[in-house]
Amino acid sequence: SAVISQKPSRDICQRGTSLTIQCQVDSQVTMMFWYRQQPGQSLTLIATANQGSEATYESGFVIDKFPISRPNLTFSTLTVSNMSPEDSSIYLCSVEDLDSNEQFFGPGTRLTVL
Amino acid sequence: QKEVEQDPGPLSVPEGAIVSLNCTYSNSAFQYFMWYRQYSRKGPELLMYTYSSGNKEDGRFTAQVDKSSKYISLFIRDSQPSDSATYLCAMSASGNNRLAFGKGNQVVVIP
Repeated sequence: SAVISQKPSRDICQRGTSLTIQCQVDSQVTMMFWYRQQPGQSLTLIATANQGSEATYESGFVIDKFPISRPNLTFSTLTVSNMSPEDSSIYLCSVEDLDSNEQFFGPGTRLTVL
Repeated sequence: QKEVEQDPGPLSVPEGAIVSLNCTYSNSAFQYFMWYRQYSRKGPELLMYTYSSGNKEDGRFTAQVDKSSKYISLFIRDSQPSDSATYLCAMSASGNNRLAFGKGNQVVVIP
């Protein structure tokens, strides 16, 4: 399976600011995904990021709040914009193995907004 | 009704016991079923991956899918303290890589 790293691993931010989370994969992948994991809630898909095209956002998530970049086949960023305490969560990136359709997750970024 | 229901109640078992976890779902289009294990402050790790109905065994782990009842299960035999983690069920439809997750079950195996 692919090895996925995320930066930062955690951060504490002030409301109204923005944070960019990086996701790096050790192999080229077509599909990358960004999820949010809030306490007591299910993992929820934010958007799907394909290289060379605009990210596709799930219902309830918008590009202005969560802009995503996918400059190449091994890297993606998710920005959490104009943060509020409700954005406190773990943000996870994942990749899909096209041969097996299995999805593998990074270690996550733990964000606290004060 | 949520797409995937998983009772999040913590589960404590003595070492060596069988752990039984389950999820129900409402979307009959789901064809792929997964169990992830998540240790504290780590990302989810794919544990079991099955397609359609049936059983799959991998070491001490057995995954069962009953599509007629929209019910999936994970069994852990001879549980070990290292199995203490949160277990998440997930599923997706054919041709759709969006995973729908349950809330997760926290399991504690007591030595």
